[in-house]
Amino acid sequence: GEDVEQSLFLSVREGDSSVINCTYTDSSSTYLYWYKQEPGAGLQLLTYIFSNMDMKQDQRLTVLLNKKDKHLSLRIADTQTGDSAIYFCAESYTDKLIFGTGTRLQVFP
Amino acid sequence: GAVVSQHPSWVICKSGTSVKIECRSLDFQATTMFWYRQFPKQSLMLMATSNEGSKATYEQGVEKDKFLINHASLTLSTLTVTSAHPEDSSFYICSARDIRGQGIEQFFGPGTRLTVL
Repeated sequence: GEDVEQSLFLSVREGDSSVINCTYTDSSSTYLYWYKQEPGAGLQLLTYIFSNMDMKQDQRLTVLLNKKDKHLSLRIADTQTGDSAIYFCAESYTDKLIFGTGTRLQVFP
Repeated sequence: GAVVSQHPSWVICKSGTSVKIECRSLDFQATTMFWYRQFPKQSLMLMATSNEGSKATYEQGVEKDKFLINHASLTLSTLTVTSAHPEDSSFYICSARDIRGQGIEQFFGPGTRLTVL
């Protein structure tokens, strides 16, 4: 089966970097994604990475992929209070997305 | 662009009634839409894949007679929760894939919160 695991909670100080980790099981995933969900809202795609890439950077976001260990991470530089949300990683599995358990990021001043 | 809407955004109903939730792609056409369910503080669980003009494909453990899905056009899919019970209370989210795209991205609606009394 496919399982995507994340740590449940992360607390960081405003201005610091946040690193959210994810492990997945399906080595045949073509794309891996990071989504952000604010309270009571749907999901916003932050970024995605193709499985043959090791790293992707997009402004404050850096995605690292270790395909050998099936480990994905999202680094948010200069974390702001507006970044407080739940972050989900997801892997593509056939035609579907399999979501991780979600990491709640809390940013304090 | 790539906006997906859901209606209603929240609904409260009595046990035993049916509730219809609409998912619309506003500025693109979607041959495929997905329906997810999210319990409080949990992840999204895929319920079914909805294909325009054909029957939906349900995930294991999802009752197709209870969660009726209709994808009658390239911009609209509906989910009907029949004979709702309190355990059906949840946050229902749809997503849509652009017919023109490579299928990389699913665009998500804002979700519908269902409370069954």
